[in-house]
Amino acid sequence: AQSVAQPEDQVNVAEGNPLTVKCTYSVSGNPYLFWYVQYPNRGLQFLLKYITGDNLVKGSYGFEAEFNKSQTSFHLKKPSALVSDSALYFCAVRDPMNYGQNFVFGPGTRLSVLP
Amino acid sequence: GAGVSQSPSNKVTEKGKDVELRCDPISGHTALYWYRQRLGQGLEFLIYFQGNSAPDKSGLPSDRFSAERTGESVSTLTIQRTQQEDSAVYLCASSLQLTRETQYFGPGTRLLVL
Repeated sequence: AQSVAQPEDQVNVAEGNPLTVKCTYSVSGNPYLFWYVQYPNRGLQFLLKYITGDNLVKGSYGFEAEFNKSQTSFHLKKPSALVSDSALYFCAVRDPMNYGQNFVFGPGTRLSVLP
Repeated sequence: GAGVSQSPSNKVTEKGKDVELRCDPISGHTALYWYRQRLGQGLEFLIYFQGNSAPDKSGLPSDRFSAERTGESVSTLTIQRTQQEDSAVYLCASSLQLTRETQYFGPGTRLLVL
């Protein structure tokens, strides 16, 4: 069965510093991986996804993520954090070998960017 | 509309009453998902519709919860005899059929059971 872990409940970073939000996954084959962001009192917004190809994926708002197959990770990164990046971040995985399987979301990581 | 819409945006009900939540997916999206998000917590999968296939109901927490979808359009999530622990934000998402496709989320319905 597929699963997603986000080992950090909370990440604090100073504005202007690089940020990393960690995600590891478990699927039987090659995964489809997604990052979503949730701002207060709002639904989830899609940031980026990895399907195939280049391991470094660039997405919205200057975010990027690196797919690392050997470490089964898909960490979200941004070179220079903004206070407005403060939000709840969710990693999700889907196993393409199990058509019809729904997405599995991680528990979320709350990012706080301090001015 | 351009995105997933949900109604109502907020619902306050009394314990024991039934509630019905509505989701309008993006036109052309054959897959539709319902999730529950309790305050400060992650997403809890409830149910998944994919085209004309039988829905995946494996996430429904009890028989008080049910959902229907008319073809590839509107879906309703019904909670019967609501309990206080049902209080949460109920999120709907839709996507194209292919597994590589992104889910797009609606704004959610915030349910409060008194």
